[in-house]
Amino acid sequence: NAGVTQTPKFQVLKTGQSMTLQCAQDMNHNSMYWYRQDPGMGLRLIYYSASEGTTDKGEVPNGYNVSRLNKREFSLRLESAAPSQTSVYFCASREWTGNTEAFFGQGTRLTVV
Amino acid sequence: AQSVTQLGSHVSVSEGALVLLRCNYSSSVPPYLFWYVQYPNQGLQLLLKYTTGATLVKGINGFEAEFKKSETSFHLTKPSAHMSDAAEYFCAVSAGAQKLVFGQGTRLTINP
Repeated sequence: NAGVTQTPKFQVLKTGQSMTLQCAQDMNHNSMYWYRQDPGMGLRLIYYSASEGTTDKGEVPNGYNVSRLNKREFSLRLESAAPSQTSVYFCASREWTGNTEAFFGQGTRLTVV
Repeated sequence: AQSVTQLGSHVSVSEGALVLLRCNYSSSVPPYLFWYVQYPNQGLQLLLKYTTGATLVKGINGFEAEFKKSETSFHLTKPSAHMSDAAEYFCAVSAGAQKLVFGQGTRLTINP
């Protein structure tokens, strides 16, 4: 069972470049999430998708866009990367109901120079 | 809107001592509460969760947490720390909408 798979695992970008972080889950979950993790800041929610076809902003959406391509896949796009977006990005998924646990990918370590 | 505050970004205890990691939440509706653990260079995994019913919740690796509505708290405890418990711990709340909001995290260090 793969669970939640994120690609790539590591990436270095130059300021102004664009890239898409990919996330796929094989657990038939309805809800998917993108977080960023920075030292001392915990995990901050960027965007989430409660179900296929819907997306909503989280705490820190500026500079990012998302696409819920289908039930399995939820991608995060940086249109013009900035050094402030240097972070570790985690994708997660869970069932529809709020009392279920979220399952996390292994993370993408992104450095913007 | 919901939020989580974890008191203490870094906690250090001796091996065999009590572990206490503090979490307070804010929610306008009955919350669902979670504790996750993150080992270095890994994703997060669930330790335990509170949904409804019994307020004392037991999780993996000997951890437990008690939901106290009057104090809006969900503190994590373990009677006797082990070296393998060294990790970062996150408290999270889910209430109403599908958002899942995390606290700032607490790094637990175990001294031999």
